[in-house]
Amino acid sequence: EIVLTQSPGTLSLSPGERATLSCRASQRVSSSYLAWYQQKPGQAPRLLIYGASSRATGIPDRFSGSGSGTDFTLTISRLEPEDFAVYYCQHYGNSPPGWTFGQGTKVEIK
Amino acid sequence: EVQLVESGGGLVQPGGSLRLSCAASGFTFSTFWMSWVRQAPGKGLEWVANINQDGREKNYVDSVKGRFTISRDNAKNSLHLQMNSLRAEDTAVYYCARAAVLASFDHWGQGTLVTVSS
Repeated sequence: EIVLTQSPGTLSLSPGERATLSCRASQRVSSSYLAWYQQKPGQAPRLLIYGASSRATGIPDRFSGSGSGTDFTLTISRLEPEDFAVYYCQHYGNSPPGWTFGQGTKVEIK
Repeated sequence: EVQLVESGGGLVQPGGSLRLSCAASGFTFSTFWMSWVRQAPGKGLEWVANINQDGREKNYVDSVKGRFTISRDNAKNSLHLQMNSLRAEDTAVYYCARAAVLASFDHWGQGTLVTVSS
């Protein structure tokens, strides 16, 4: 079973700064099935990135994803006030079939 | 506009049962895999179950196997989760989600809260 470990647990930054979030898999995974989500308090998650690097519909270009193998990164180039939230990485595997989420990284206002 | 609306949550005693539903609209429901994802209070996301387009293929996280059953009614554009033998650790907000490109969840409902407590 693949385990996704996100770091740091909390990231304290100011608006306008760059955020770099890490997602490490316990074994090599297909980047095709690596996604990132944003969740704000009281709201459902929102898809940001799929296929490790493709932005979902309507997602601003300040969000970018990269990585392969076991190490993946979500970068927010310049934080806007609405970007302060919790971010989750997710992987789909087919042996056994199912989805795994990381434990989340909270991006908070410094 | 894609919409997913969950219902059926509530307070139930340990060992009890509950049936969640998700009403889908704004897309051709019968052509998508669908999933349930849950989030315990103050915790992260956990995938629970998924079902393929015609309902013949179903998968579950180990912790709910034998207790939960996912199903769908394509004629009524609805997804269901029958939850039996509920435990305190099943307490969570349950979301239905549409699985789309490269197995990502591109649309989510607003969630329904299930509380298992005596």
